[in-house]
Amino acid sequence: AQSVTQLGSHVSVSEGALVLLRCNYSSSVPPYLFWYVQYPNQGLQLLLKYTSAATLVKGINGFEAEFKKSETSFHLTKPSAHMSDAAEYFCAVSANTGGFKTIFGAGTRLFVKA
Amino acid sequence: ETGVTQTPRHLVMGMTNKKSLKCEQHLGHNAMYWYKQSAKKPLELMFVYSLEERVENNSVPSRFSPECPNSSHLFLHLHTLQPEDSALYLCASSQRNSPLHFGNGTRLTVT
Repeated sequence: AQSVTQLGSHVSVSEGALVLLRCNYSSSVPPYLFWYVQYPNQGLQLLLKYTSAATLVKGINGFEAEFKKSETSFHLTKPSAHMSDAAEYFCAVSANTGGFKTIFGAGTRLFVKA
Repeated sequence: ETGVTQTPRHLVMGMTNKKSLKCEQHLGHNAMYWYKQSAKKPLELMFVYSLEERVENNSVPSRFSPECPNSSHLFLHLHTLQPEDSALYLCASSQRNSPLHFGNGTRLTVT
């Protein structure tokens, strides 16, 4: 069985500050991990994915995430927040690289203050 | 047109109505999905169609009925819905070994 826990339903940062969104997973098999972003009135868009290659994964819009097996974590970071980063972010886990049986976390809404 | 297209974007229906949501993907994917997104809840997978096989979440009420006539089109037929069915319904597609591509959703309000 697989599950995802996102710590904090809301995160607020100032423009230019570090963004850190936390995700912990549980998986009985080697996991594939994803971060998706949802802007208002839109569907989810893939930010980045971990598929057992490099543990530090770079995504779009300057985001990156690090897979830490010992901590069962896959936190999302960005060095400097921009107003356009305000959105909802979803961590997800799957037993394969595809969409089948992807389990999503509850989401973290990111607010960016000017 | 590219990507995953959902129509309508907004739908208001009474509890006795029958309506359908439509999804079309132009990505050549071989799997399509319906998700329900409710406030403060994780995305709920409702149905999956892949290579003419259907997989469904057993907790989805029978008032939701999917149809997948071909690999590019997916419908969700709705009848006698309840107010708690109000949500954003998202369609997605993928290859078996690629991440999900989502449409922009249909915002459903049941009155």
